[in-house]
Amino acid sequence: DAGVIQSPRHEVTEMGQEVTLRCKPISGHNSLFWYRQTMMRGLELLIYFNNNVPIDDSGMPEDRFSAKMPNASFSTLKIQPSEPRDSAVYFCASNPSGRSYNEQFFGPGTRLTVL
Amino acid sequence: DQQVKQNSPSLSVQEGRISILNCDYTNSMFDYFLWYKKYPAEGPTFLISISSIKDKNEDGRFTVFLNKSAKHLSLHIVPSQPGDSAVYFCAASARNQGAQKLVFGQGTRLTINP
Repeated sequence: DAGVIQSPRHEVTEMGQEVTLRCKPISGHNSLFWYRQTMMRGLELLIYFNNNVPIDDSGMPEDRFSAKMPNASFSTLKIQPSEPRDSAVYFCASNPSGRSYNEQFFGPGTRLTVL
Repeated sequence: DQQVKQNSPSLSVQEGRISILNCDYTNSMFDYFLWYKKYPAEGPTFLISISSIKDKNEDGRFTVFLNKSAKHLSLHIVPSQPGDSAVYFCAASARNQGAQKLVFGQGTRLTINP
């Protein structure tokens, strides 16, 4: 079975440009999570969806960040405009249902560098 | 406000010995705790978990201990193997604060020396 798929794996862009990160969760998983990993703060939850509906976006740093999940098999995280401090590894994760305490399955991440 | 803290950024252990990774938390509402393992260029993978109604959970070479009064948990790996070299993240969640929300620590890089 394919795991969580993220694209691109690496993205280098210039400050001010729009960046779109993509995620395909594991088939049948109803919950999807976006995380950001930095050296200073470790792994931070940005937003999560249950059944394509955003449940909690309190971790989204500011209005430059937005996330969508138009269907059960696809989600995007967009940064517009991007800034150098957005440089990080962004992970997408999914889990089987809205039940609590299920383990989350992570994708390989997208390493974003904003120059 | 870091609710989950892993105060040791790195740890080096001899192969065959015990590795002990520590994690502290501040939110008394946390009632479920997990450890994830991460290799370079890969996403974290689930390792082991424990509910707050227990104080120990064991899975093969991995054991997690929970001390609720101290708000402290630890992961023991014994015996340590070279393949255990990775970054380990501690995570916690609270049923009444969105049980699906995992709060992660900064991670500890474990190196197992042959």
